[in-house]
Amino acid sequence: EAQVTQNPRYLITVTGKKLTVTCSQNMNHEYMSWYRQDPGLGLRQIYYSMNVEVTDKGDVPEGYKVSRKEKRNFPLILESPSPNQTSLYFCASRREGVETQYFGPGTRLLVL
Amino acid sequence: KNQVEQSPQSLIILEGKNCTLQCNYTVSPFSNLRWYKQDTGRGPVSLTIMTFSENTKSNGRYTATLDADTKQSSLHITASQLSDSASYICVVRDNFGNEKLTFGTGTRLTIIP
Repeated sequence: EAQVTQNPRYLITVTGKKLTVTCSQNMNHEYMSWYRQDPGLGLRQIYYSMNVEVTDKGDVPEGYKVSRKEKRNFPLILESPSPNQTSLYFCASRREGVETQYFGPGTRLLVL
Repeated sequence: KNQVEQSPQSLIILEGKNCTLQCNYTVSPFSNLRWYKQDTGRGPVSLTIMTFSENTKSNGRYTATLDADTKQSSLHITASQLSDSASYICVVRDNFGNEKLTFGTGTRLTIIP
């Protein structure tokens, strides 16, 4: 089944403890993105990647890192999480030349 | 600054009725406009995608319109069903060749029996 998977789905952590949220897609898509969704603010793009080893900042990249070493994986790294990074995170992917974007199921993160 | 504004913020209608959601944008240069449906706690799902040259596109009971001159779009839902209860998000992509998207904050639609 064609899909975007994220792990973990739920995570509670404490301030300053490094964490990684994984994102993987099995559709051989070139483009991948990370978003966060907060009440009243909608979805905001954190980082995106247009292919392996090609990443760029979205609208809210502060406090996040990404890497794209393989085409299928696009992990989101929080080196030192803070409470304002408590949010619902989505990963998405699409094929180059095709606008339809596929979203993962989301990761709900709580930073205490 | 690029913006996408949606109205109303929330809407409650009876099952079987029609409704129309609005989207205004300032994104320029324009590439395409999408409507997504997002069920509570789940990832958005694409309903329609329209480019500059398209002024209407349908997906079952969903019909989107686009007026690129006035930078307005609407999503019309016909004969609503309980499963249409969700948030509907308008998203616009610019034409700079990157992957940046501008999202509206969505309209929360509730269908009551």
